[in-house]
This record gives sequence, C-alpha cells and structure tokens, in this order.
Amino acid sequence: EVQLVESGGGLVQPGGSLRLSCAASGFTFSNYWMNWVRQAPGRGLEWVANIKQDGSEKYYVDSVKGRFTISRDNAKNSLSLQMNSLRAEDTAVYYCATDFFACSGDSCRQTSWGQGTLVTVSS
Amino acid sequence: DVVMTQSPLSLPVTLGQPASISCRSSQSLVHSDGDTYLIWFQQRPGQSPRRLIYKVSNRDSGVPDRFSGSGSGTDFTLKISRVEAEDVGVYYCMEGTHWPPYTFGQGTKLEIK
Repeated sequence: EVQLVESGGGLVQPGGSLRLSCAASGFTFSNYWMNWVRQAPGRGLEWVANIKQDGSEKYYVDSVKGRFTISRDNAKNSLSLQMNSLRAEDTAVYYCATDFFACSGDSCRQTSWGQGTLVTVSS
Repeated sequence: DVVMTQSPLSLPVTLGQPASISCRSSQSLVHSDGDTYLIWFQQRPGQSPRRLIYKVSNRDSGVPDRFSGSGSGTDFTLKISRVEAEDVGVYYCMEGTHWPPYTFGQGTKLEIK
C-alpha cells in the first residue's frame, strides 16, 4: 500500500525557516516525479514544486522561487521542502504527492497524496 | 501561465440527481504529443485530494462509473450521473499540458440540497 507521511510543519515567525519532510513507502520511490502542493485555510489547491526521479530537474511556482528548495533522497525514500524567508501567505497545509501523470501509453498510475502538514506563519 | 476557470463554484444537488461541473482553460490543453493533460480531483471534507479522472476522460481505478469526464481543447466537464451522499466535497480540475506550473481551477463545492 502506498503511503506518504509528511512531517515538519508548525508555527514559525515571518522571515523564519522550516523544513518539511515526506516519508514514502509501498512503491518504488525512485521511479516517480514528486510534488509539493499546498492549500491555504479554506482555499483551493496550489502546486508548489516538483522534482524529477533523479533530482536533476526541479521546478517551482513563481511565488516561492528563491525561497523554497525541493530535494529528495532516494536511498531513504524521502522528499523534502526547505522553506526560507517565510511569509504569512505561505500559511497552508502542505501535501506531498506522487507524479500526476505517471503514464504509459493511455494508462496513468494513480496519484497518491499524504495527509498534509500544517505550516502557520505568524508573529 | 494557464488559467483554469471552473463553474459553478457552488453546486447544491438533490440526491440521485445528476451534476455537472465545467472547467475552461485560457489556452488549449492539447499537448504536442497529441494528449490532453487534464485531471479532475475530488477532495472530501477533511481529506486529502484524490484523482478521479486523468487525460480528460480516463477514470482512475476504484472510481465509480457514475463519474465521467469529457471535453477537448479548452472546455472540459465532469459529470456525476446520480449524486450520492459520499460525493460531497470540492472538485478541482488541473492542467498538466503547459507545466510548470501545474494550475488548478478554483474548486467547485458540491453539497446535498
């Protein structure tokens, strides 16, 4: 059974830093692109970043570029998000999720999501 | 970036009745490889999102066949043939043709009348 378990959320002051982790199990982690997606309280979903299977490509939404860094450790089946210079508008539940389009021909493997970890940026 | 616009944003439906959600993109979602990378997610209250439909019309494993996706180019629709109580939640479309970034619609909240 695929499992993604996020951790590392909490309360942080504006300008502070936080490192989120996502522990993966039940699938071959090194075969998948991985994503971070966030959801501000009462709001919709926003894709934050993703990383290629071998870590050689990383992409970010404009609002976090230069402040957030995504990384992975395939030996430990782990995904991370280092968040620096945090702002109030970064307050959200952060989800890790597997590739949205892990497709072979017309068939795409199911996307899995963690339960999320809440990050609150406030003084 | 592609803008995804959903309507309606709120959808009260009587149990057993059909429901339809529209999703429009600001540019065509047809990829150069010929595929259209449009997904529908369901997020039940207090839960993480779950993918229902991928590439416009392909249902994920375990998704009831009362859910169907259709559309092309810039106009897409998620239909529920007969709404059940377990369908309550927020539905999001998301495009993956022009990533990065992946962009979501605003979400449509389905509730039972």
